Amino acid sequence: EAGVAQSPRYKIIEKRQSVAFWCNPISGHATLYWYQQILGQGPKLLIQFQNNGVVDDSQLPKDRFSAERLKGVDSTLKIQPAKLEDSAVYLCASSPMRIDGGRLFFGSGTQLSVL
Amino acid sequence: TQLLEQSPQFLSIQEGENLTVYCNSSSVFSSLQWYRQEPGEGPVLLVTVVTGGEVKKLKRLTFQFGDARKDSSLHITAAQPGDTGLYLCAGTNYGGSQGNLIFGKGTKLSVKP
Repeated sequence: EAGVAQSPRYKIIEKRQSVAFWCNPISGHATLYWYQQILGQGPKLLIQFQNNGVVDDSQLPKDRFSAERLKGVDSTLKIQPAKLEDSAVYLCASSPMRIDGGRLFFGSGTQLSVL
Repeated sequence: TQLLEQSPQFLSIQEGENLTVYCNSSSVFSSLQWYRQEPGEGPVLLVTVVTGGEVKKLKRLTFQFGDARKDSSLHITAAQPGDTGLYLCAGTNYGGSQGNLIFGKGTKLSVKP
């Protein structure tokens, strides 16, 4: 079974530039998550989709971050404009159901460095 | 705000030693999960515990969920270099309109040969 695919693996940009990350979840998984993991910390949920609808985006900095999952499959996360403090690993995860003690399957992440 | 505190933050041991890492909260969780994350990879689920007092074993790893469902521990017997990684605990609850997996900051384990 193919895992969660993310691209790119690494991205280096200057502050105030824009960047986009892509995620393709495991086939058939209805729920997709974007997490931000700053060095030395645990992942923090940014946004959760159920099919193509947003379930939770309470911790998404909406003035600069946006995400979409138009056809209920793959998803993109965009930052515009980037700040230094956005440097982190952005992890995508999927699960076959809304999280209720079920398992999350994570991609390898995109490591973003903002200079 | 629910928080999961993990300790110790860092742990460096020799191969063959035993160790325990802890995950504590003042909040009650319906379930707790333990993940291991290796450098450059996403977290991988090790175990889910759902019942207070529950103990689960995965080869040399023993996981326990506290009776009050506020804390959990992970014990590794005879650690091996392959156990090296970041161990994350994550809790879910059903108090809100949807479950939200809350992660601790992790324990970074290094096992030296």
